[in-house]
Amino acid sequence: AQSVTQPDIHITVSEGASLELRCNYSYGATPYLFWYVQSPGQGLQLLLKYFSGDTLVQGIKGFEAEFKRSQSSFNLRKPSVHWSDAAEYFCAVGAITGGGNKLTFGTGTQLKVEL
Amino acid sequence: DTGVSQNPRHKITKRGQNVTFRCDPISEHNRLYWYRQTLGQGPEFLTYFQNEAQLEKSRLLSDRFSAERPKGSFSTLEIQRTEQGDSAMYLCASSENSNQPQHFGDGTRLSIL
Repeated sequence: AQSVTQPDIHITVSEGASLELRCNYSYGATPYLFWYVQSPGQGLQLLLKYFSGDTLVQGIKGFEAEFKRSQSSFNLRKPSVHWSDAAEYFCAVGAITGGGNKLTFGTGTQLKVEL
Repeated sequence: DTGVSQNPRHKITKRGQNVTFRCDPISEHNRLYWYRQTLGQGPEFLTYFQNEAQLEKSRLLSDRFSAERPKGSFSTLEIQRTEQGDSAMYLCASSENSNQPQHFGDGTRLSIL
């Protein structure tokens, strides 16, 4: 069974500082990996995805993530954080089952941005 | 592309009542997923449809839960005899195929009194 670990429950950064959110996954085959962002009371918005190919993937809002198979990691980065980036971030791994792509999520990292 | 639509946004009900939620996926998306999210947790998979066929159900989906997707368009999730532990955000997502990411709606928040 697949699993995702997000070791940081809360992270606080200053506006303009760089950001890295950690994600480690467990999956028996080549994974599909995702980062989603959730604002309070809202659904999840896709930031970026990794299916195959280039291990450094670019997403929306200036985010990027790097897939490192040897470390089973898919960390999310942003060079300069904006106050509007404050939200909860979820890493997810996808498993192909019965033709679908069931997602397993981590417990999330709550990002606070100090002005 | 109007996005995934879920109704209602909020539902408050008494323990023991039945509730039904609706999800309208993005047009042309033949895969539809239901997830449940409790406070402080990530979403957990409940069930998945490919067109009108329900292909997988999680062990989280007790016999009080039933989901349908008639005609492969919108989907409904019904909870019978609600319990306190059913309080959560119920999220719906859809995707074009298994190689495309899932797009989520804003969810239905269920509160059991």
